[in-house]
Amino acid sequence: AQSVTQPDIHITVSEGASLELRCNYSYGATPYLFWYVQSPGQGLQLLLKYFSGDTLVQGIKGFEAEFKRSQSSFNLRKPSVHWSDAAEYFCAVVFMEYGNKLVFGAGTILRVKS
Amino acid sequence: EPEVTQTPSHQVTQMGQEVILRCVPISNHLYFYWYRQILGQKVEFLVSFYNNEISEKSEIFDDQFSVERPDGSNFTLKIRSTKLEDSAMYFCASKPRDTPVEAFFGQGTRLTVV
Repeated sequence: AQSVTQPDIHITVSEGASLELRCNYSYGATPYLFWYVQSPGQGLQLLLKYFSGDTLVQGIKGFEAEFKRSQSSFNLRKPSVHWSDAAEYFCAVVFMEYGNKLVFGAGTILRVKS
Repeated sequence: EPEVTQTPSHQVTQMGQEVILRCVPISNHLYFYWYRQILGQKVEFLVSFYNNEISEKSEIFDDQFSVERPDGSNFTLKIRSTKLEDSAMYFCASKPRDTPVEAFFGQGTRLTVV
């Protein structure tokens, strides 16, 4: 079955430090990849997406992600974290061979310490 | 900026009661979805809807669930006889066409079954 794995349940970083959140997905010939952010009690906000082309994509709030097909990964990065980045981050994938629904990872809770 | 609107934001209902969760997708969108997120768990796909019919549904979406687009603007999720385990945040999403394009999510309805 299609699956998305976010191996880190919690991550704590210091404000100003760099961040990398990991995401791996099960095999799919044509994956469409997304990162969403959810603040407590809020909905899902799209940070960035990858469909094709340049494998390094830029998103909102200074985030970027790199698609590595050979590793089935789509890791999210930010060079300098701000306290307002504290939230839960979800990687999600559409496996076109299996319909057009989003398959979500379990999420990574980011804590930012000052 | 157009957005997906969900009402109510919170609903408390007694076990066995019927609930209807309402969503107003973005006006020119054609694909509609319901997802749910049980507290502390990942976001899960429930159902997708296109051209006035269900295009895909998950194992969660059993006979107790139904969806409807009654008037060309609203998109509703009905749970016929709620169970305790239906307590979750329910997200509506819509998108203008088939992938590749991102889905836009509403803020969610928190359903609590007591």
